[in-house]
Amino acid sequence: DAGVIQSPRHEVTEMGQEVTLRCKPISGHNSLFWYRQTMMRGLELLIYFNNNVPIDDSGMPEDRFSAKMPNASFSTLKIQPSEPRDSAVYFCASSRTGVMFTGELFFGEGSRLTVL
Amino acid sequence: AQSVTQLDSHVSVSEGTPVLLRCNYSSSYSPSLFWYVQHPNKGLQLLLKYTSAATLVKGINGFEAEFKKSETSFHLTKPSAHMSDAAEYFCVVKGEGYSTLTFGKGTMLLVSP
Repeated sequence: DAGVIQSPRHEVTEMGQEVTLRCKPISGHNSLFWYRQTMMRGLELLIYFNNNVPIDDSGMPEDRFSAKMPNASFSTLKIQPSEPRDSAVYFCASSRTGVMFTGELFFGEGSRLTVL
Repeated sequence: AQSVTQLDSHVSVSEGTPVLLRCNYSSSYSPSLFWYVQHPNKGLQLLLKYTSAATLVKGINGFEAEFKKSETSFHLTKPSAHMSDAAEYFCVVKGEGYSTLTFGKGTMLLVSP
């Protein structure tokens, strides 16, 4: 079975450019999470969706960040304009949630972003 | 609110020796606790979970963890380390609702021949 698929795996861009990260969750999973991992701050939840609807975006750093989930099989995380402090590994994770969320997440391999 | 503290940022062992990765948690109610593992340049993978059933939880690859409420601990152990165990390990506590997974800072396990 295919796992969570993220693209691109690596992105190097210059400050001020727009960055779009993509995620395809596991088929049948109805919750999707975007995380950011840095050495300084560890793993941070940015936003999560349930049934394609954003439930909690309180972790999104600022207005430069936006996320969408137009359908059950695709999500994007956009940074515009990008800044050097956005350099990190961005993970997408999905889960099957029913009555409650069990805490089991399936992670993609991440998108490593470097902003020069 | 909940939190986890991983007591060691790095642990070094020799192949074939026991592994102990320490985690203390704080939670205002009965928590669900997890260990996730991250191999280099990979995403995190669930290793094991505790959800108020048996206090000794067995996971993949020979790892296990024991929930000790009196000590608010959930330490990860393995009797004999293998080179392939070298990775970063995250202790995680779940609160109420969907988004409240709190990750520890991680413990890097180094395994030498």
